[in-house]
Amino acid sequence: DTGVSQDPRHKITKRGQNVTFRCDPISEHNRLYWYRQTLGQGPEFLTYFQNEAQLEKSRLLSDRFSAERPKGSFSTLEIQRTEQGDSAMYLCASSPGARNQPQHFGDGTRLSIL
Amino acid sequence: TQLLEQSPQFLSIQEGENLTVYCNSSSVFSSLQWYRQEPGEGPVLLVTVVTGGEVKKLKRLTFQFGDARKDSSLHITAAQPGDTGLYLCARGGSYIPTFGRGTSLIVHP
Repeated sequence: DTGVSQDPRHKITKRGQNVTFRCDPISEHNRLYWYRQTLGQGPEFLTYFQNEAQLEKSRLLSDRFSAERPKGSFSTLEIQRTEQGDSAMYLCASSPGARNQPQHFGDGTRLSIL
Repeated sequence: TQLLEQSPQFLSIQEGENLTVYCNSSSVFSSLQWYRQEPGEGPVLLVTVVTGGEVKKLKRLTFQFGDARKDSSLHITAAQPGDTGLYLCARGGSYIPTFGRGTSLIVHP
């Protein structure tokens, strides 16, 4: 079963450093989502792609955040000049193209900013 | 901002007890999904409800969608330690699901 995989699972870095996370979705899914989740909260939407096109970005996605899905397969999420408030679990999910289709989540990348 | 209200926020019970958690909104859902998330893992879909008044069962879990499609409940019968986790509801009907804050459930053996 090749589900959604995320790498790395954990990342610890100093404030001000850049970090990049990778997500490999389920291969036949053309939609890919990034979420951020902090303790005691549900996942908060950051951005999503249909194939290689980035269709929507949340206000949560500041200029320091950028996401790409260059070939419509895997995606990367980069955070530049990390801040303490960026500490969170970053979740990736994928789904087929139709509305109301459930999302399949990866196990996330936990980011800790020292 | 969470548009979905989930209650209770925390629940700690003994094995064998029954429990109900709730998901409410002021607006109508076209569909609603329930997920369970275990510590250190991503959410896993349990069920999708679409029709007002719909009831779905998954072993000891019973999901109900309100007649007006503004609320939903999840009832667990004879809870087991393996039911421990964060239960999330998510509003469907668009390409971007909106999640509630979740109910954190701990079932003690």
